Parts: sequence; C-alpha cells; structure tokens
Amino acid sequence: GAGVSQSPSNKVTEKGKDVELRCDPISGHTALYWYRQSLGQGLEFLIYFQGNSAPDKSGLPSDRFSAERTGGSVSTLTIQRTQQEDSAVYLCASSRESTPYYEQYFGPGTRLTVT
Amino acid sequence: GIQVEQSPPDLILQEGANSTLRCNFSDSVNNLQWFHQNPWGQLINLFYIPSGTKQNGRLSATTVATERYSLLYISSSQTTDSGVYFCAVVITGGGNKLTFGTGTQLKVEL
Repeated sequence: GAGVSQSPSNKVTEKGKDVELRCDPISGHTALYWYRQSLGQGLEFLIYFQGNSAPDKSGLPSDRFSAERTGGSVSTLTIQRTQQEDSAVYLCASSRESTPYYEQYFGPGTRLTVT
Repeated sequence: GIQVEQSPPDLILQEGANSTLRCNFSDSVNNLQWFHQNPWGQLINLFYIPSGTKQNGRLSATTVATERYSLLYISSSQTTDSGVYFCAVVITGGGNKLTFGTGTQLKVEL
C-alpha cells in the first residue's frame, strides 16, 4: 500500500516568511509524528498526535512552530517568521497507534532552506 | 535525558565483508527500531526489535534490553548497503516519540 507522503519535497523561503509543510500518513494509522533532521542537531522529535488526544508538543523548539491534524488524517506543520536555523529536513512518520508501542514508518521528508 | 550512542561513527568495508554496528542507550526503553537512511535521505525500516533477535536476509539484529544495547549485523555487504544506519528508542514512560542515535555512516566499496 501507499506509504507516508509529504509535500512539498523542497521549499526555499526567505527569512521572516511563514511556511506550511504537509504530511499524509499511511491509511489506517492513527498516530502521526513530526521530526526534523539538521546537521547540528541530528534527528529530533517535534510533536505527535494520537487519535483525539491532546498532541505531545514537547519537542517544538519555539512558539513559532505549530501543527494541526484535521480529521484524524492529514497534518500540517507551520513555521512562522522563519529563521535560518530552521533550515532542515522535516520528516513525518505514522504508526498504527502510539500505545503499546507500534513501529513508525517515515515519509521522504521536506527539505526546507531559509535564505 | 536519555543518551543513545552508536559505534563506530564511520565504517568502510569491502564488498562481501561482514560488520557489526552497536547501539548503547542509557535508560530503560520500550521500543527500539533500526533504520537505514539511503543516499536520497529516505529512512527505511530494518527492524522493530525491543528485545530478542530477528533476521531478515543478510541482516540480523539483537537487543538485550536489560544490558541496554542493540547490535545490527550485516553479512556479505553490498554497495547498496551504503548509507547511514540509525537506531532509535522509545523511553519507558516517555510516550511513543523516538530518540535517535547519532548514526553509523557506512560505505561499501567494490
């Protein structure tokens, strides 16, 4: 079946602009996660959603970052007033549920470059 | 927070050689996954292995949760095995978010 999809694959934006990144999880997966991969920080967790529960936002680096998940499926990660340090690859993952602990599957990522 | 260390950081092999990659973690975990990140950046699932041993073709993995380590074995390596190998863990009581190790960069040469 189809895997996790993300769009756009690449995004170049000017410092100070807002960006939206989209993730479409595997059909039937109720848990959705956002991570980012940067040269200085490696792979780090940002936020995750499980069904109708409140999202775990503990990894968001600042209040410029937010995410929502509509209808329990597609998710959008929004970065406001982008900074150069936001340049990274943003990865989305999904799993069947988040408890007990199900395997996570990753999308191809969105490469964000802030100029 | 939990520390996830991988060794070696870099590895160069001749095609056909075997290798062992190690992942040490500093706290109790409920889940452990191994990934291969290919040259295009895609994270490919290798193993979901919170404990025990699993094998898939030329790859196998063993996790000893009580001793806080996991090993990934690659046998008869091929050039397509090149890339970065990551282990990632879910901390006990920490929700289902993955904490990644720093990775092992593998290059397999002809």
